[in-house]
Amino acid sequence: DTAVSQTPKYLVTQMGNDKSIKCEQNLGHDTMYWYKQDSKKFLKIMFSYNNKELIINETVPNRFSPKSPDKAHLNLHINSLELGDSAVYFCASSHSSTRWQFFGPGTRLTVL
Amino acid sequence: AQTVTQSQPEMSVQEAETVTLSCTYDTSESDYYLFWYKQPPSRQMILVIRQEAYKQQNATENRFSVNFQKAAKSFSLKISDSQLGDAAMYFCAYRSAAGTYKYIFGTGTRLKVLA
Repeated sequence: DTAVSQTPKYLVTQMGNDKSIKCEQNLGHDTMYWYKQDSKKFLKIMFSYNNKELIINETVPNRFSPKSPDKAHLNLHINSLELGDSAVYFCASSHSSTRWQFFGPGTRLTVL
Repeated sequence: AQTVTQSQPEMSVQEAETVTLSCTYDTSESDYYLFWYKQPPSRQMILVIRQEAYKQQNATENRFSVNFQKAAKSFSLKISDSQLGDAAMYFCAYRSAAGTYKYIFGTGTRLKVLA
């Protein structure tokens, strides 16, 4: 009965590869987010979707592309991976009426 | 633009004692929400406590309570009877009540609990 799940939990890949991280929530929330947490633990929002519509698109390289096939899923695709993309990526969800977010377990991405 | 500042990169507390983590924020809005999240070594982000800006009463959740000073734009977290399991990174976060549902996080405070 996981609330927000992400796959994979760990991802090790070579520079230049393309990879995807998947996120699913079973809370009935209407808003989903992607965050990046760097090595200094700084948590920064990247994207947010509300009812499948992109509502937040921070200054992120266009190698990063989110896709929301439905309200329960938000995937993150990264092209041409670079060393600086190594981080923990968190998916989160919330309902517009409840104000607080639930986070997934995070995906640790390591680019070699 | 809103900002959230946590000025204590690291704090230590003896088991069973009380510790207060500081958070200040900057906003021109009058209606917003504030949160404290905990991130233990497992890296899972866990909501600890939340506060609506329109509520004057400070939020409390068991051993966790906040001191919300709206005029001073301060939102500190007090942990009473600290336990070893409280050791974690603690993040303060802000969310506007209107517009996009953007959360702004502070840089975190690492809390160590000493046995």
